[in-house]
Amino acid sequence: KNQVEQSPQSLIILEGKNCTLQCNYTVSPFSNLRWYKQDTGRGPVSLTIMTFSENTKSNGRYTATLDADTKQSSLHITASQLSDSASYICVVSEGAAGNKLTFGGGTRVLVKP
Amino acid sequence: DSGVTQTPKHLITATGQRVTLRCSPRSGDLSVYWYQQSLDQGLQFLIHYYNGEERAKGNILERFSAQQFPDLHSELNLSSLELGDSALYFCASSVDSGLAGADTQYFGPGTRLTVL
Repeated sequence: KNQVEQSPQSLIILEGKNCTLQCNYTVSPFSNLRWYKQDTGRGPVSLTIMTFSENTKSNGRYTATLDADTKQSSLHITASQLSDSASYICVVSEGAAGNKLTFGGGTRVLVKP
Repeated sequence: DSGVTQTPKHLITATGQRVTLRCSPRSGDLSVYWYQQSLDQGLQFLIHYYNGEERAKGNILERFSAQQFPDLHSELNLSSLELGDSALYFCASSVDSGLAGADTQYFGPGTRLTVL
């Protein structure tokens, strides 16, 4: 069964500090991996999308890495801000069309002043 | 604002009933995806339509069905509702550039369904 596991489930960090979220997946065949940010009660917002050949991608203070050999990805948040408080969801697409998505359970990040 | 609209925002109904959720994609987007997010299961992919045709199915129950109309809006029909169907239902749209589904999906604000 295709699975996406994220860790930690939640974390608290101080404003201005950095943090790294982890994602391990068993989805096969792999098409692409996405990171989303979701504020409570709102729709997810795309942060990054990486295909098999990409091993790093940045979007402002967010940097995602992908190791397709070990089937691991990470999302690094630099110089955290209060507005970074949200759930971060790792999503892996499978198949040739890459349109069947398997979602991780998310990491809930709380940034404190 | 993602440009994707969903109606209604909230829906309260009883078990056994049938409801229809509506989604209008961003202007120019040909793909519509439906997702269910419940407290205990997280986000789950239900179904994908591209330009009126079904492209992929995920964990969609037989009691659920969807379609995409010629004007590209989509409807998700949920019937014989059960308490466990209470969830947030999101739709997302994308251009579907054809690059193996690697285009960005833009999510709507969701419809919160409560089944009593």
